[in-house]
Amino acid sequence: EAGVAQSPRYKIIEKRQSVAFWCNPISGHATLYWYQQILGQGPKLLIQFQNNGVVDDSQLPKDRFSAERLKGVDSTLKIQPAKLEDSAVYLCASSSPANRNEQFFGPGTRLTVL
Amino acid sequence: GENVEQHPSTLSVQEGDSAVIKCTYSDSASNYFPWYKQELGKGPQLIIDIRSNVGEKKDQRIAVTLNKTAKHFSLHITETQPEDSAVYFCAARRMGSARQLTFGSGTQLTVLP
Repeated sequence: EAGVAQSPRYKIIEKRQSVAFWCNPISGHATLYWYQQILGQGPKLLIQFQNNGVVDDSQLPKDRFSAERLKGVDSTLKIQPAKLEDSAVYLCASSSPANRNEQFFGPGTRLTVL
Repeated sequence: GENVEQHPSTLSVQEGDSAVIKCTYSDSASNYFPWYKQELGKGPQLIIDIRSNVGEKKDQRIAVTLNKTAKHFSLHITETQPEDSAVYFCAARRMGSARQLTFGSGTQLTVLP
């Protein structure tokens, strides 16, 4: 079974630029999560999707962050414009009731904002 | 909302010794407590979890204990090996919270050969 795929693995941009991250969850997993992991901290949930609907985006800075999962499979997370404090690893995870809702994480995208 | 505190932030042990990492949570409605291992450049991976109806769970060299009254839970690794070196995160999930996890701040475990 293939794991959660994310791209790119690394991205360096200057502040005020835009960036997008892509995630492909494990096949058949209806629930998809985006987390932000700042260096030295645990992952913090940004948004959770159930199929193509948003379950919770209460911690997503909506003035600059957006996410979509149009067909209920892969997802993109966008930051526009980026700030220095957005430097972090962005993790995508997916889960399914068939696996007791265990969250499987992708390798993450490391974003550096200069 | 839920708040999870994790200690220590760094831990060094000699190969073969035991390691213990402790977490406390704030929301008494939390009922699921997983532990994740994160190696450099990789996403977190679930290593063991415990639900609130159980006080202890063991899987080979790894065990987790839960004290619901005190609202704390611990990870125990026995007979540590160099490949156990990684960052470990505890997490808590509130009952009926759409499976959302709140993570601790992590413990960098180093096993010295």
